Amino acid sequence: GAVVSQHPSRVICKSGTSVKIECRSLDFQATTMFWYRQFPKQSLMLMATSNEGSKATYEQGVEKDKFLINHASLTLSTLTVTSAHPEDSSFYICSARAHEEVYEQYFGPGTRLTVT
Amino acid sequence: AQKVTQAQTEISVVEKEDVTLDCVYETRDTTYYLFWYKQPPSGELVFLIRRNSFDEQNEISGRYSWNFQKSTSSFNFTITASQVVDSAVYFCALSEGGPGNTGKLIFGQGTTLQVKP
Repeated sequence: GAVVSQHPSRVICKSGTSVKIECRSLDFQATTMFWYRQFPKQSLMLMATSNEGSKATYEQGVEKDKFLINHASLTLSTLTVTSAHPEDSSFYICSARAHEEVYEQYFGPGTRLTVT
Repeated sequence: AQKVTQAQTEISVVEKEDVTLDCVYETRDTTYYLFWYKQPPSGELVFLIRRNSFDEQNEISGRYSWNFQKSTSSFNFTITASQVVDSAVYFCALSEGGPGNTGKLIFGQGTTLQVKP
């Protein structure tokens, strides 16, 4: 089956620094990638949708200047949390969709970000 | 607007009991997809099932079964003879379909299932 990886799985950073999370589709080409955020004991909330080679589409209320998304290739998307603050601490999950499977998303294992 | 409601926040059962997790959805689309995912303590989402809006057949997979009823906009999930390993958070999700669909998933709030030995 399709595999999506995320790196790192856990990261701790200091307030004010930036952190980059990578999402890779390992055995298929992902024309679309999604980034979700999940706070403890809450549901997954879509942050943005990115298509390879174009700008990401952000959901309402998500700061595009704070959460920079780059989908530079068909197998890699990155999420950079800039000037992180403790309230950005969360579980970030990416998913990837292949062009020919428009209804199927494959999820990465998630990245737990802690901002101290 | 699309919405998914999982009214049961937490359910606790004893091993071998059957348990049903409820999911009610709202959408104006005629073509859509419904999903169930399992999220164990590790955090990784495990795909369980996808159902499109034109297929109302119920499905059974081992101890798992799903009941899709468009008349009540529900897509309920039943675990038969529950086991401790079934303990997890379960999410129901909805995705719009049809031409030009974005593939966005709308998740319900999740139901935490605890199966006690």
